[in-house]
Amino acid sequence: DIQMTQSPSSLSASVGDRVTITCRANQSISNYLNWYQQKPGKAPKVLIYAASSLQSGVPSRFSGSGSGTDFTLTIRSLQPEDFATYYCQQSYSTQYTFGQGTKLEIK
Amino acid sequence: QVQLQESGPGLVKPSETLSLTCTVSGGSFSTYYWSWIRQPPGKGLEWIGYVFYSGSTNYNPSLKSRVTMSIDTSKNQFSLKLSSVTAADTALYYCARVSAYSGNHDVFDNWGQGTLVTVSS
Repeated sequence: DIQMTQSPSSLSASVGDRVTITCRANQSISNYLNWYQQKPGKAPKVLIYAASSLQSGVPSRFSGSGSGTDFTLTIRSLQPEDFATYYCQQSYSTQYTFGQGTKLEIK
Repeated sequence: QVQLQESGPGLVKPSETLSLTCTVSGGSFSTYYWSWIRQPPGKGLEWIGYVFYSGSTNYNPSLKSRVTMSIDTSKNQFSLKLSSVTAADTALYYCARVSAYSGNHDVFDNWGQGTLVTVSS
């Protein structure tokens, strides 16, 4: 199985901050990496696919980068609605796996 | 806009079989993979498996011995059966559509709202 590890597990930040969340795979997955946002009581929503492509309708303050084993999700200028839990997910293997999540909280 | 809706019992007894159905509306049912994903309370996401509209399946190895997925294209529904459940199977169960972006990047791009299944006697 391809294991995905996110860091940090939780993060406190303020509105207007820039934050970065990291996701690491235990083997190379090229750019087969997606990012999801999940708000309490809601289903996850895709933000970024193929490591750096922005899903239609997602604000441009979200960006993704990386290839191989190391990936980042960056949120530029945090907005109140961005406080949520973020998950990475690999699709290099069709045995899809998710990271454990990063909870972004208001400082 | 495609919509997915899970349905099924919210309470299942230990050792019994959990059965859920996902009904898809508002979009094409064919040519997609249809997936189940679960989330134990307060925890992360676990992919359970998918079924293709042709009926072919692919399961998470950790659950494979207990999982059966099927599809009914005439009703735009697909189903999950998980046998011999224990308390560890208590979770919010989501159905989701898998789409291929940029040709071959699989993305869970549409999700149901989720249904909570509790395993308890």
